[in-house]
Amino acid sequence: GAVVSQHPSWVICKSGTSVKIECRSLDFQATTMFWYRQFPKQSLMLMATSNEGSKATYEQGVEKDKFLINHASLTLSTLTVTSAHPEDSSFYICSATGRGTLNTEAFFGQGTRLTVV
Amino acid sequence: DAKTTQPPSMDCAEGRAANLPCNHSTISGNEYVYWYRQIHSQGPQYIIHGLKNNETNEMASLIITEDRKSSTLILPHATLRDTAVYYCIVRVGTNAGKSTFGDGTTLTVKP
Repeated sequence: GAVVSQHPSWVICKSGTSVKIECRSLDFQATTMFWYRQFPKQSLMLMATSNEGSKATYEQGVEKDKFLINHASLTLSTLTVTSAHPEDSSFYICSATGRGTLNTEAFFGQGTRLTVV
Repeated sequence: DAKTTQPPSMDCAEGRAANLPCNHSTISGNEYVYWYRQIHSQGPQYIIHGLKNNETNEMASLIITEDRKSSTLILPHATLRDTAVYYCIVRVGTNAGKSTFGDGTTLTVKP
């Protein structure tokens, strides 16, 4: 099956700094990528949807200036958490869909655990 | 997307079949039933999906009732590695990535 890889798997950063998380589709062209956030013992919450070459569409309540999403190519999307604070500590997960049969199934990355200290 | 209801937790003995139910009484005619699972601290893993017919793959079987208001995911021979949170999601088949995840069912497979 199609593979989506996230990097890094975990990151610790100081409060006030920015952190970039990468999401790559390794063996298919990801026309659409999705970013989720998951707090401990909670379910995944969709943050935003991005199509290659377009601005991301953010879900209600998600600050677009704080969570910058770039989907510049068909294999890479990045999520930058700007001016991170401890409350941004969470598990961030991306998923991707492609064309044709790859559009009916979402392929998830392994997730990135962000800890802001 | 239609709302789904799943039991919060279930136990299953290793080697036995695990039957995970999901209610989706407001499902629309063009909405599929998808199942994912999430092993602790990993991203979700796709298991199976279906529209109205029963489906089977190497991981599991999906049984959808005739009125499509509920479904059951069956893991035929559960192993300890099947311990995970299982999510039932209902959505239109295209643009599969935009999913609304509920609380899921925590399946614990016991030796």
